[in-house]
Amino acid sequence: SQKIEQNSEALNIQEGKTATLTCNYTNYSPAYLQWYRQDPGRGPVFLLLIRENEKEKRKERLKVTFDTTLKQSLFHITASQPADSATYLCALDPSGSSASKIIFGSGTRLSIRP
Amino acid sequence: GAVVSQHPSWVICKSGTSVKIECRSLDFQATTMFWYRQFPKQSLMLMATSNEGSKATYEQGVEKDKFLINHASLTLSTLTVTSAHPEDSSFYICSARGDRGRKGMNTEAFFGQGTRLTVV
Repeated sequence: SQKIEQNSEALNIQEGKTATLTCNYTNYSPAYLQWYRQDPGRGPVFLLLIRENEKEKRKERLKVTFDTTLKQSLFHITASQPADSATYLCALDPSGSSASKIIFGSGTRLSIRP
Repeated sequence: GAVVSQHPSWVICKSGTSVKIECRSLDFQATTMFWYRQFPKQSLMLMATSNEGSKATYEQGVEKDKFLINHASLTLSTLTVTSAHPEDSSFYICSARGDRGRKGMNTEAFFGQGTRLTVV
């Protein structure tokens, strides 16, 4: 069966360090892999996406890698800040079509302590 | 950027009554809208996919007569929880993808603020 797993339910790190979140999937061949941020009581907010033929994508302090052989994506936040504390969701987009559903992982709750 | 507005942000209703939640794409005409349900500390559970002018496609295990979805225009989809019961209490979130008016806006999903439903 198809499955998406985010390695940690929760991750707690010191401010200034790099946070690394992992997303693994099985039985998918996604066209895109996306990362979202969700704050408590709010809807998710899109952060980054990476295409199947891309290895790495960066946006400011964020970096995403995509290894289709390992079926894994890593999401990095460098120079982490307490304001980065939130739940981060990995999502697979099988086709890239706006008509298709995006499948979400269970999320990792990231806490950055001062 | 694209904005999706969801209303109301919270609602309390009596058991047995129906509740309607609206989802609007404010500055774009969404190709597709999605409805999710989320329990505390859990991920988004897709309930249904909605396209303008056609019947919604429900995920397995979601009762279509219980959760009525209407997508009357390109910018508005509604979810009605009929004959609500306490077990329907949850956080409901809509999202929209695609813009019929612009190329290239197919990939990411834009989410509403969510609606906290409490059935007493």
